Amino acid sequence: DGGITQSPKYLFRKEGQNVTLSCEQNLNHDAMYWYRQDPGQGLRLIYYSQIVNDFQKGDIAEGYSVSREKKESFPLTVTSAQKNPTAFYLCASSTSTASSYEQYFGPGTRLTVT
Amino acid sequence: GDSVTQMEGPVTLSEEAFLTINCTYTATGYPSLFWYVQYPGEGLQLLLKATKADDKGSNKGFEATYRKETTSFHLEKGSVQVSDSAVYFCALSVDTGGFKTIFGAGTRLFVKA
Repeated sequence: DGGITQSPKYLFRKEGQNVTLSCEQNLNHDAMYWYRQDPGQGLRLIYYSQIVNDFQKGDIAEGYSVSREKKESFPLTVTSAQKNPTAFYLCASSTSTASSYEQYFGPGTRLTVT
Repeated sequence: GDSVTQMEGPVTLSEEAFLTINCTYTATGYPSLFWYVQYPGEGLQLLLKATKADDKGSNKGFEATYRKETTSFHLEKGSVQVSDSAVYFCALSVDTGGFKTIFGAGTRLFVKA
């Protein structure tokens, strides 16, 4: 079955540590995205990539970094510079970034930093 | 700027009741409109979409009509089931020389047996 996998589902880290969240897709989609979801709020875009070896900042990119070395993979690193990293992180992909195309989401990673 | 506003939850209904979740938007261009659903502990799934004015999106008994005159995309279902309990997100996507998708805050629905 085609889809998006995120691992791990739950992640715990100490403050001051960098942590990398995995996102893999086998849908052959060109575009991939990372969102952050906080309780009672909608999704906020962190980074997106339309093509391999290229990515753009979203609305809340500070304290995060990404890479897109392969079409299938778009890992997100939450750095120690991110002031409030505890959140639910969602990865998504789509065939295109045209406005009419829906996004396909992974199951999410819940990150807790203490 | 572009934005999506949807009714605050939670919404609590009895099984077989009629559901309406209101969604209004502001956008500079001609957006596509979406409803996504999120079940507990999972990612979002597309429920339905509409790409131009007067289009009606429908799926699994849910439907929503793209109303340009009222800038609305209200979600409706004639008879809800317990399994419809989830969080529903209204979203818009618009080409402005670059990618932009904006999500509403989500509306949690509880359906009681």
